[in-house]
Amino acid sequence: EIVLTQSPDFQSVTPKEKVTITCRASQSIGSSLHWYQQKRDQSPKLLIKHASQSISGVPSRFSGSGYGTDFTLIINSLEVEDAAVYYCHQSNSLPRTFGQGTKVEI
Amino acid sequence: QVQLQQSGPGLVKPSQTLSLTCAISGDSVSSNIAAWTWIRQSPSRGLEWLGRTYYRSQWYNDYAVSVKSRISINPDTSKNQFSLQLNSVTPDDTAVYYCARELGNCYECWGQGTLVTVSS
Repeated sequence: EIVLTQSPDFQSVTPKEKVTITCRASQSIGSSLHWYQQKRDQSPKLLIKHASQSISGVPSRFSGSGYGTDFTLIINSLEVEDAAVYYCHQSNSLPRTFGQGTKVEI
Repeated sequence: QVQLQQSGPGLVKPSQTLSLTCAISGDSVSSNIAAWTWIRQSPSRGLEWLGRTYYRSQWYNDYAVSVKSRISINPDTSKNQFSLQLNSVTPDDTAVYYCARELGNCYECWGQGTLVTVSS
């Protein structure tokens, strides 16, 4: 099973700050890494797919990068509505696994 | 636009069977490119993939090892939905359960979530 480890676990930020969240895989997964945002009492929402591909309707301040074992989600110029927990997820192999989550508090 | 609507009881007694259904609109459970998945979320386990069903000329299932002896995910083509059955539940199975569509190897559509509590 591929283990995904996110850092940090928690980040307290102010609006307009840049936020960087990392996700490290226990083995190489190519670009099979996706990012989700989960707001309180909501289902997760896909933000970035295949490490760096944007999703229609997702603000351009969200971007992703990485390949192999190290991946990054960047939120440029954070807005109040971005307060949420962010998860990475790998689809390289079964079972599908998720990171433990990074809570972004504003 | 694809929508997934979950239904099922929110309270299940220990040792009994947890049963949830996910109704699909805007797509077909028999799609040749999608996989229909159940994921659960709890404070202790985080987001945990449970398994999926999908059609590629025939039906296939994949299950997580942690629940493989107790789980069944089945399509219902007549109602365009799929279901989750988890047998012999314990309080450790208490979680929010989500159905989701896997397309292009990621989950771009999720159900609304169902909190299932295992308690007598």
